[in-house]
Amino acid sequence: SSELTQPPSVSVSPGQTARITCSGDALAKQYTYWYRQKPGRAPILLIYKDTKRPSGVPERFSGSSSGATVTLTISGVQAEDEADYYCQSADSSGSYVVFGGGSQLTVL
Amino acid sequence: QVQLDESGPGLVKPSQTLSLTCTVSGGSLTDGSSYYCWIRQSAGKGLEWIGRIYPSGSTNYSPSLKSRVTISVDTSKNQVSLTLTSVTAADTAMYYCARAGDYYASGSAFDIWGQGTMVTVSS
Repeated sequence: SSELTQPPSVSVSPGQTARITCSGDALAKQYTYWYRQKPGRAPILLIYKDTKRPSGVPERFSGSSSGATVTLTISGVQAEDEADYYCQSADSSGSYVVFGGGSQLTVL
Repeated sequence: QVQLDESGPGLVKPSQTLSLTCTVSGGSLTDGSSYYCWIRQSAGKGLEWIGRIYPSGSTNYSPSLKSRVTISVDTSKNQVSLTLTSVTAADTAMYYCARAGDYYASGSAFDIWGQGTMVTVSS
């Protein structure tokens, strides 16, 4: 299966750590990417190839991978982090791209 | 700095063909090892990948849309085009053009996105 499953919502208090998971059979074979999307805006790349952070993305955003589950960790969550977060990967053969359903992060 | 700008008709009638263009500025479509794709998002929903085109012209499409989608490039105009046939209300969405900047180094990391263009399918 090429589906990616994310929790629909995650809530944390400011300063705490948020962890957003993404699971799927193909993740053991394919890289995962993470994006943040704020209302009315295009997504922004946060993490690529499971754990790498593009220049300009704060260090408090990190990615990890364990088999068929990958995790986006946001340390020291700030109010501005409230947004939708999407994971992205590919089918097991790498023929096409798939997105997770998205997780809405609420900062309490 | 490369920028992407989507354009096309905001309203398309059911059963007709949707055609969108993504104009690349600040760089060439064929620079380096980039590829371009189309992604859409229905109101209040998640991201849906439509397909991609490599500099060679090779394409891949979403299995769910493959029978109706064509992505092409016009290197003389530095544009990537999307054609979606036989549209229905379910195709109403914000359509984004995005670039995977260096697929050798970064894989399918979509590092640059256009602002999106809204398409409504309605009679």
